[in-house]
Amino acid sequence: AQKVTQAQTEISVVEKEDVTLDCVYETRDTTYYLFWYKQPPSGELVFLIRRNSFDEQNEISGRYSWNFQKSTSSFNFTITASQVVDSAVYFCALSDPYSGAGSYQLTFGKGTKLSVIP
Amino acid sequence: EPEVTQTPSHQVTQMGQEVILRCVPISNHLYFYWYRQILGQKVEFLVSFYNNEISEKSEIFDDQFSVERPDGSNFTLKIRSTKLEDSAMYFCASIPGVVNTEAFFGQGTRLTVV
Repeated sequence: AQKVTQAQTEISVVEKEDVTLDCVYETRDTTYYLFWYKQPPSGELVFLIRRNSFDEQNEISGRYSWNFQKSTSSFNFTITASQVVDSAVYFCALSDPYSGAGSYQLTFGKGTKLSVIP
Repeated sequence: EPEVTQTPSHQVTQMGQEVILRCVPISNHLYFYWYRQILGQKVEFLVSFYNNEISEKSEIFDDQFSVERPDGSNFTLKIRSTKLEDSAMYFCASIPGVVNTEAFFGQGTRLTVV
């Protein structure tokens, strides 16, 4: 069975600080996708990144960066120089496209609520 | 940019009533989903739909729930007799296909059962 753990329930940082959101996953499969979604107070789910399990290169997009380490089953997300607009709940998710069920559904973590204080 | 649209954005219903939540997935996508998020909790998978039939469903998706794609564009979730614990945000999502499994989510329908 798949499982995603986001151990940090809530994090508060002061604006311009860097912050890392942790994500640890469990899956028996060798091929899978990992995702991060942002859920602002308005409630929608905003796609941030998808990472294939075969691609362990770290990725940077502006102030966002992701560190994928297959050896520790972690896919951590770092926001550099945080801003108030980054305040949201962030969800890590796992999709197993080759489970045989063919449904490719996402298994979400419980989310980390990030508050950036001005 | 194409997007998944859901209506209504907020629905209030009395316990025991039937509700239908509507979604228009992105037109060339092949897989469709409903997810549920009880307030303050994680997003949970309900059901996936492919080739006009359910491909997988979770334990949450019991006989009270049904899905339909009646006209090739709309994708609906029906709850036959709502309970208080059905109050949640319901998200519709679609993915293009096997090669690209990025899920595109709608903005959600907040269902409140009173």
